[in-house]
Amino acid sequence: AQKVTQAQTEISVVEKEDVTLDCVYETRDTTYYLFWYKQPPSGELVFLIRRNSFDEQNEISGRYSWNFQKSTSSFNFTITASQVVDSAVYFCALSDPLKDTGFQKLVFGTGTRLLVSP
Amino acid sequence: ETGVTQTPRHLVMGMTNKKSLKCEQHLGHNAMYWYKQSAKKPLELMFVYSLEERVENNSVPSRFSPECPNSSHLFLHLHTLQPEDSALYLCASSQDWRNTEAFFGQGTRLTVV
Repeated sequence: AQKVTQAQTEISVVEKEDVTLDCVYETRDTTYYLFWYKQPPSGELVFLIRRNSFDEQNEISGRYSWNFQKSTSSFNFTITASQVVDSAVYFCALSDPLKDTGFQKLVFGTGTRLLVSP
Repeated sequence: ETGVTQTPRHLVMGMTNKKSLKCEQHLGHNAMYWYKQSAKKPLELMFVYSLEERVENNSVPSRFSPECPNSSHLFLHLHTLQPEDSALYLCASSQDWRNTEAFFGQGTRLTVV
C-alpha cells in the first residue's frame, strides 16, 4: 500500500538557519507523483511542488529546494535562510491510483510543524 | 474570487443537528474532493467527484452525505454526527482525473458537541 512517512513531528529553528524536512515513501507503482504542501495557520493547504517519478532532477525555487532520491525513496525539502513566515505545517504526499477508476488520490504524511523564531 | 472557497469557516453543531458544508471552485476544474483532517492523523480522503459523478467513497459513514450539483460546487451534508467527527474538513479540486495537482480551500473547522 502507498505510504508516506514524515518522521519529524516538529522542528524549531532560528531565522536565517537552513532546515530540511524529510519525507520517505512506499509505493508499488512504477509511475507516481510526489508533492509538498504548506499549511499555514489559516488552514489552507498551499501547493508547493509536484514531481514525476521519472524526473530525478533536483529542483530549486527561490529559497526552496527539493531532493528526490528514488534509490532511497525519499523526497526531502530544504528551506534556505528560513524566515518567520515559513512557520507552518508541511505535508509530503504521494499519488495513489483509485482501483478501477483511473483516478488518483493523494496519500499524505502526518506533517512536520516548522517553527521559525526571530 | 479565485481558487477554492469553503463556507462556513467554523461550525459548531449538536449531535442531533443537520448542517451542510459548502465548497466552490473558480478554477474551471472537473474533479472535486472532500478530505478530513483530524488532530495528529494524516489527511483522509472522504469523497471524490469527477464531472459531478462520485468516483470514490472511502468507507465514510452515512452520516456524511456529499452532493455535487455541478462541477463548480460541492456540498457535504452532515446529520447525527458524533464528537469524534470534530475535525477540519478540506475541499480540493483538480483539473481532471489525470491531474493530481489538487488545490485546497481553507477548510471548515467543525466541532460536534
